[in-house]
Amino acid sequence: NAGVTQTPKFQVLKTGQSMTLQCAQDMNHEYMSWYRQDPGMGLRLIHYSVGAGITDQGEVPNGYNVSRSTTEDFPLRLLSAAPSQTSVYFCASSYRYTGTTNEKLFFGSGTQLSVL
Amino acid sequence: EDQVTQSPEALRLQEGESSSLNCSYTVSGLRGLFWYRQDPGKGPEFLFTLYSAGEEKEKERLKATLTKKESFLHITAPKPEDSATYLCAVQGGTSYGKLTFGQGTILTVHP
Repeated sequence: NAGVTQTPKFQVLKTGQSMTLQCAQDMNHEYMSWYRQDPGMGLRLIHYSVGAGITDQGEVPNGYNVSRSTTEDFPLRLLSAAPSQTSVYFCASSYRYTGTTNEKLFFGSGTQLSVL
Repeated sequence: EDQVTQSPEALRLQEGESSSLNCSYTVSGLRGLFWYRQDPGKGPEFLFTLYSAGEEKEKERLKATLTKKESFLHITAPKPEDSATYLCAVQGGTSYGKLTFGQGTILTVHP
């Protein structure tokens, strides 16, 4: 059972370049989300999805786009990379979102992104 | 706006020396408080969910407790393998689908 798979593990971009971070889960989870983790800042929610075709913004959505065309995949797109987007990115999913309470999250192993 | 503050930022213990990590929170109607463990270079791993004041949960050497303003993660007789960053997160009543994380406590247990 692979769980939550993120690719790539490492990426270096130049300012202005675009790219997509991939996230896939094989647990049939309804809820998927993207976080970024910066030193001293903790994990901050970028975007999340409660099911295929449904997405919403988190705390720090600017500069990122998401879509959810299937239950399994939730890619994160950087439209025009900036040095401020240098961070470690985590994808997380949970089995069910009841509309009121989150269930426990399963995290991927992360993507370390550097923007020069 | 939901807020979470964890203390201390870092904690060094000798093997067998029990201690506690603190998570203070401000939310509008707590729906859940979560504890996660994160090892270097890996994603966080779920430990506990607490829903209401007075609730307690245990797992091996870890025990999580909850009051109306804070949560404690008690570590009894820690071992070097307990070394990790411990993260606290909350979901407030108006934060559907959103968890707010603290900055974490880095725990180091020396043999």
